[in-house]
Amino acid sequence: RKEVEQDPGPFNVPEGATVAFNCTYSNSASQSFFWYRQDCRKEPKLLMSVYSSGNEDGRFTAQLNRASQYISLLIRDSKLSDSATYLCVVNLAQGGKLIFGQGTELSVKP
Amino acid sequence: GAGVSQSPSNKVTEKGKDVELRCDPISGHTALYWYRQSLGQGLEFLIYFQGNSAPDKSGLPSDRFSAERTGGSVSTLTIQRTQQEDSAVYLCASSLSGTGVSEQYFGPGTRLTVT
Repeated sequence: RKEVEQDPGPFNVPEGATVAFNCTYSNSASQSFFWYRQDCRKEPKLLMSVYSSGNEDGRFTAQLNRASQYISLLIRDSKLSDSATYLCVVNLAQGGKLIFGQGTELSVKP
Repeated sequence: GAGVSQSPSNKVTEKGKDVELRCDPISGHTALYWYRQSLGQGLEFLIYFQGNSAPDKSGLPSDRFSAERTGGSVSTLTIQRTQQEDSAVYLCASSLSGTGVSEQYFGPGTRLTVT
């Protein structure tokens, strides 16, 4: 079983749509959680950290359920520029290596 | 300011040759990480340097892979006797600290092709 699992997609949505990505992780000792964004042939960039209480950054909302070992990302009012691969990432210890999911591909169409 | 830089950006090599990939982390960042991303695979961790501590080499796939970090700054990843399955994008990241929740900043990667 992969340590971090995501639906690879692709998710094809129209502009303005709301889209949700889900992710599960296998190690209950995981301490830190993130969503990274990766554009085609580019390096990953941090989109947002994910906190137990849930957190929001503009159109993006992330939630963490430690009991279910489940992380989600909600994107509201999708823009063409949101088209990318979204990577669910966990960290077993403060600092240290990141464990990446396979990524979920999002394509926002006009 | 300058981000993480990597060189070369692309490398084509023949099977059996050795290659060296270089990473210049962001100035002042004490933690440095190497990952690789293969087609159809996610990003996988290779090795992690934190300050003067012994590196975490738990992700290195074989003894053909090694890395060093000189002077707590620049790092070199060496792959000896390259194989076709080594073809991938090798990404370097650095963070201000290897402790606490510190964002990892990625370089643009080196695309390695082994023919």
